[in-house]
Amino acid sequence: KQEVTQIPAALSVPEGENLVLNCSFTDSAIYNLQWFRQDPGKGLTSLLLIQSSQREQTSGRLNASLDKSSGRSTLYIAASQPGDSATYLCAVRGGLQGGSEKLVFGKGMKLTVNP
Amino acid sequence: NAGVTQTPKFQVLKTGQSMTLQCAQDMNHEYMSWYRQDPGMGLRLIHYSVGAGITDQGEVPNGYNVSRSTTEDFPLRLLSAAPSQTSVYFCASSYSAGLNSPLHFGNGTRLTVT
Repeated sequence: KQEVTQIPAALSVPEGENLVLNCSFTDSAIYNLQWFRQDPGKGLTSLLLIQSSQREQTSGRLNASLDKSSGRSTLYIAASQPGDSATYLCAVRGGLQGGSEKLVFGKGMKLTVNP
Repeated sequence: NAGVTQTPKFQVLKTGQSMTLQCAQDMNHEYMSWYRQDPGMGLRLIHYSVGAGITDQGEVPNGYNVSRSTTEDFPLRLLSAAPSQTSVYFCASSYSAGLNSPLHFGNGTRLTVT
């Protein structure tokens, strides 16, 4: 069964720091990996999607990398701002026991960026 | 575009009552799904659909029914509510279940069963 882990569960940093958020998964036979952001009381917003054949994706100050063989992904946030404060979740689609229709989510990492 | 719209935003039920959580999307997405989010458990897939007339079970389907009569709508029915179904429910959709289709989420329905 695919399991997705995000450690640590929470992180508090001063404004301006460059951040690395980690995501690991147990079954490397995935179709893609997606990073999401969730603000309190809101739904999830897709940030980046990396296909299994890709190594990284970039959007603005965000860069996500994927190392499928080791079961790891990182989300890099450059020059963090208070507006980046949110919970960040990663999710993988696929795996040996799951088809392309199912995403498995990590439990998220709550980020607080202090001004 | 409105994206994924969920109604109601909040709901309180008594044990044994039934209700339907509504989900509609205006993006012509083939794939739609329902998740529940609980503290310490993360997001778990309840049911999903890869197109009109096609539904399948996710990780935690017991106590819930779905149907997909149109591309736009994917309602979730609670047949006889139980306190264990207290949760935040999210509907999500994507263009397809394929490799390059990001998932779009609604803002959720917060359900309390007393």
